[in-house]
Amino acid sequence: EAQVTQNPRYLITVTGKKLTVTCSQNMNHEYMSWYRQDPGLGLRQIYYSMNVEVTDKGDVPEGYKVSRKEKRNFPLILESPSPNQTSLYFCASSRSREPQYEQYFGPGTRLTVT
Amino acid sequence: AQSVAQPEDQVNVAEGNPLTVKCTYSVSGNPYLFWYVQYPNRGLQFLLKYITGDNLVKGSYGFEAEFNKSQTSFHLKKPSALVSDSALYFCAVPFSGAGSYQLTFGKGTKLSVIP
Repeated sequence: EAQVTQNPRYLITVTGKKLTVTCSQNMNHEYMSWYRQDPGLGLRQIYYSMNVEVTDKGDVPEGYKVSRKEKRNFPLILESPSPNQTSLYFCASSRSREPQYEQYFGPGTRLTVT
Repeated sequence: AQSVAQPEDQVNVAEGNPLTVKCTYSVSGNPYLFWYVQYPNRGLQFLLKYITGDNLVKGSYGFEAEFNKSQTSFHLKKPSALVSDSALYFCAVPFSGAGSYQLTFGKGTKLSVIP
């Protein structure tokens, strides 16, 4: 089954404790992206990747890191999480860097930072 | 400035009635336009898109959307609403940069279909 998977689905952590949210797709997609969803703000892009070893900042990159060492994986790293990073996070992928293709979303990771 | 907007935070409609969820955009050039749906506790799912050609686009679950260039709108419609259509709907527009793009979403419209 074609899908985007994220782990963990739920995470509660404390301020300053480094964490990684994994994202993997099995569709050989070129483009991958991370979003955060907050009430009243919709989805905002954190980082995106056009291909292996190519990443770029989205609208809200502060406090986040990403890497794309393999085509299928695109982990999101929070080196020192803070309470304002409490949010619902989505990973997504698309077959191409061209904008006319739809994105496929993972199920989401709900992160709480206390 | 390029932007996408959903002017209604919530839309309520009776089951069986037609529904419309509004989206307007501001894009230089010819836009690509998308609708996604988010059911409770789920990720977003693609519904439909406008790339070029016919202004009326048909998508999943009986939804359609009309591209109106003069009004810079891309409203989502369905002739007869179902209770199961209750969800959060997002309009999205990719804004192209150097060699890639960023998908920008509206703030979402919560659709409630009342039995």
